[in-house]
Amino acid sequence: GQNIDQPTEMTATEGAIVQINCTYQTSGFNGLFWYQQHAGEAPTFLSYNVLDGLEEKGRFSSFLSRSKGYSYLLLKELQMKDSASYLCAVRDYNTDKLIFGTGTRLQVFP
Amino acid sequence: EAQVTQNPRYLITVTGKKLTVTCSQNMNHEYMSWYRQDPGLGLRQIYYSMNVEVTDKGDVPEGYKVSRKEKRNFPLILESPSPNQTSLYFCASSRTTGDYNEQFFGPGTRLTVL
Repeated sequence: GQNIDQPTEMTATEGAIVQINCTYQTSGFNGLFWYQQHAGEAPTFLSYNVLDGLEEKGRFSSFLSRSKGYSYLLLKELQMKDSASYLCAVRDYNTDKLIFGTGTRLQVFP
Repeated sequence: EAQVTQNPRYLITVTGKKLTVTCSQNMNHEYMSWYRQDPGLGLRQIYYSMNVEVTDKGDVPEGYKVSRKEKRNFPLILESPSPNQTSLYFCASSRTTGDYNEQFFGPGTRLTVL
């Protein structure tokens, strides 16, 4: 079966660094995505990892360890506009389906 | 502008009254999908389509129908809506070849069934 776990909520301070973890179990892994979703809006693509290691994109970085079934999203220099939900999603190799976690709601305080 | 559009954005209806939510993409994507999003449950896939005339059930297909007669359109049909289908619905599309193949999401349709 497939299962994705991530914390429900996190809080952080403007200017700080926050790490959002995601663990997954899947029968056929073909990449892990992170999406950002502001309340009431559509998810938007942040990052993609298919090989082990760190992918950096400006203030956002994403890490993957396939052997551990683990990923994290690192947000640096937090801004108020980073307050949103962050969705971890794993793509199934056989069906191309994206399996989403329930999301981590991040609140950034001044 | 590359985008996925959905209509309507908001809909309040009554139990049993058939409705269709339209979805259209202008990126020539092969893959299209419908999700519903409910508090505490995350995004769950309803139906997906790998290409024209090819559709398949997702994780929660009961009470829904879809069709894919043209590449750009993927309507979601609720033949007899019930209150448990009150939810936020997203359509998404992506390529099926290439590195990322990230899914692009429409703006969402908030449906309330009374």
